[in-house]
This record gives sequence, structure tokens and C-alpha cells, in this order.
Amino acid sequence: DQQVKQNSPSLSVQEGRISILNCDYTNSMFDYFLWYKKYPAEGPTFLISISSIKDKNEDGRFTVFLNKSAKHLSLHIVPSQPGDSAVYFCAASLPPLVFGAGTILRVKS
Amino acid sequence: DGGITQSPKYLFRKEGQNVTLSCEQNLNHDAMYWYRQDPGQGLRLIYYSQIVNDFQKGDIAEGYSVSREKKESFPLTVTSAQKNPTAFYLCASSPQGVRGNTIYFGEGSWLTVV
Repeated sequence: DQQVKQNSPSLSVQEGRISILNCDYTNSMFDYFLWYKKYPAEGPTFLISISSIKDKNEDGRFTVFLNKSAKHLSLHIVPSQPGDSAVYFCAASLPPLVFGAGTILRVKS
Repeated sequence: DGGITQSPKYLFRKEGQNVTLSCEQNLNHDAMYWYRQDPGQGLRLIYYSQIVNDFQKGDIAEGYSVSREKKESFPLTVTSAQKNPTAFYLCASSPQGVRGNTIYFGEGSWLTVV
């Protein structure tokens, strides 16, 4: 039973446009949510996080939104750059961290 | 440089053999983790440890074993009981124990059964 779901396996976006990656979760006990970015054959690197008591957190081009009533969070990247092309994992803290299946983002120049 | 070191980067195993993946961290982190990545399945937790000499099973612990004799070391043994061991294995650690909200990953180890 997947507690954290990323239903879009891949996303393709034009450079300069907005990328929106989505994540749904089922467990209302999660108290913290994180996004990780991963390049092939490398370990994931932490990108941005949000506490369950907040609904938005922003860091430069990256913004994470949390909708607790819908058990949904999203990562917005504006503007998207070719270097953003990677796999993005949503994770939720139970603890320990529970990861989604990932979304492959391709930013076309 | 502080970080998490996994070795070897690539490992080939014959059917029926046990292999051990090494994970060392010099970040003075309390908690350490092993995840497995398979295509389309994200990162699944194998084992985790909050303190020395203590560890807990994750979601897919069958066929694996770990030890935590030192704070900085958390080796993973893939036993012959693991039916489908070919995967990318990631070790991670966190500074605040299991309740820590951010974990840091090593570079990963590729295991292939031949």
C-alpha cells in the first residue's frame, strides 16, 4: 500500500515555463514533507521541505504547496531550466521518510 | 570532506552468494538508513538504525541483514535469500535521529546478479 504517490511518471516542460510536480499521500499522521532531486547513478539531494503546519514554502525558484485537506502537495519550479532535468521524489516523514515513485522532469531548451 | 561513502560503486554477485555493501559516514549523524531503488518504484526502505547496536526493519527487509557496531558504519548484507537483489542501493544518514526531517544520501551502489 503506497502511502505517498506520484501519479505522473514523467513531465516535459519548455525552458522558462513553470514545472508543476504533484504528490498525494494517504496518512494524515505525516508531519513533514520533502522534495528530493536525483540524477542517474547518484544519490538524491534535498531540495525543499514543508512542515504540516504550513501551506507554502519558497526557496528561490522552488515553491512547495501543501493542501492538508486534500492530502496533496506540489512543487513549482519557475522558471524551469535545462539543469532541472532529473527525477524528483516526494517524501513524507512518519518517521522514517516514505518516498513516492518519482517523476522524471525533462526541461527542453 | 564530510559525507557518506558507499562502496563498492558496482558489484556483481553470483546466484547463491552473500554480498556486503559498505556505508561509512563522518557527519556524526545518529541515524542511518538503507534504501533500494527499482525503476518505477521509488525508494523503498530496507533497514534503519537510530543508535549504535540497534536497528529496525523497513518495508522490504526480507533477504537482507545489517549491523551497527559503530556510529559511523552501517553495512548491508544481501543474502542468498533475497530473490531479486539486482538494484541500486542507497545509504543515508540524518543528524536528528529517525525523527530528523532531512536525510542525506550517499552516491549509491549498483548490485547485479549474474
